[in-house]
Amino acid sequence: AQRVTQPEKLLSVFKGAPVELKCNYSYSGSPELFWYVQYSRQRLQLLLRHISRESIKGFTADLNKGETSFHLKKPFAQEEDSAMYYCALKGGGYQKVTFGTGTKLQVIP
Amino acid sequence: DADVTQTPRNRITKTGKRIMLECSQTKGHDRMYWYRQDPGLGLRLIYYSFDVKDINKGEISDGYSVSRQAQAKFSLSLESAIPNQTALYFCATSGGTERDYGYTFGSGTRLTVV
Repeated sequence: AQRVTQPEKLLSVFKGAPVELKCNYSYSGSPELFWYVQYSRQRLQLLLRHISRESIKGFTADLNKGETSFHLKKPFAQEEDSAMYYCALKGGGYQKVTFGTGTKLQVIP
Repeated sequence: DADVTQTPRNRITKTGKRIMLECSQTKGHDRMYWYRQDPGLGLRLIYYSFDVKDINKGEISDGYSVSRQAQAKFSLSLESAIPNQTALYFCATSGGTERDYGYTFGSGTRLTVV
């Protein structure tokens, strides 16, 4: 079975402070991992994928297979980063996506 | 124009009523999904369909049914709504050349069962 754990329901940081949103996963095969973001009253949208190793809006995430983690990081938080963030894993025979329970990031001005 | 459209955006219904939520997409994706979002529980998969003839149950399919009327349309029905089905429902698509790019989500349907 595949599982995604986001241990923090709420993360509050001051503007300009570093951000790290934690994500741990459980999966027996080779996972594909994603971060999705949901701004207030908007649809979920893909933020980044581990296979592309890209940086979007200053966010990066590195897959650590040894620690089974895919933490999302940004060196300097901005107010517009305030949103819900979901970590997701794609795997299994049908390539279904399993989401974590989400972390609400609140950036304090 | 939105490429994944959900209707209605909001709906209040009474316990025991049948209700249908609709999703249509112009992405040309073959895969479609229904999720519900609840505070503290994240998104949970209700049903998914990899093409018109392939429909599968997700984690929480009890009390729900679906219909894939065409590649572009995937409807979710609550045969007899109950209050604990009050949630935000999302349709998502994936596939085609964007298969590795994750999901495209609709704007959601907020359903309240009273």
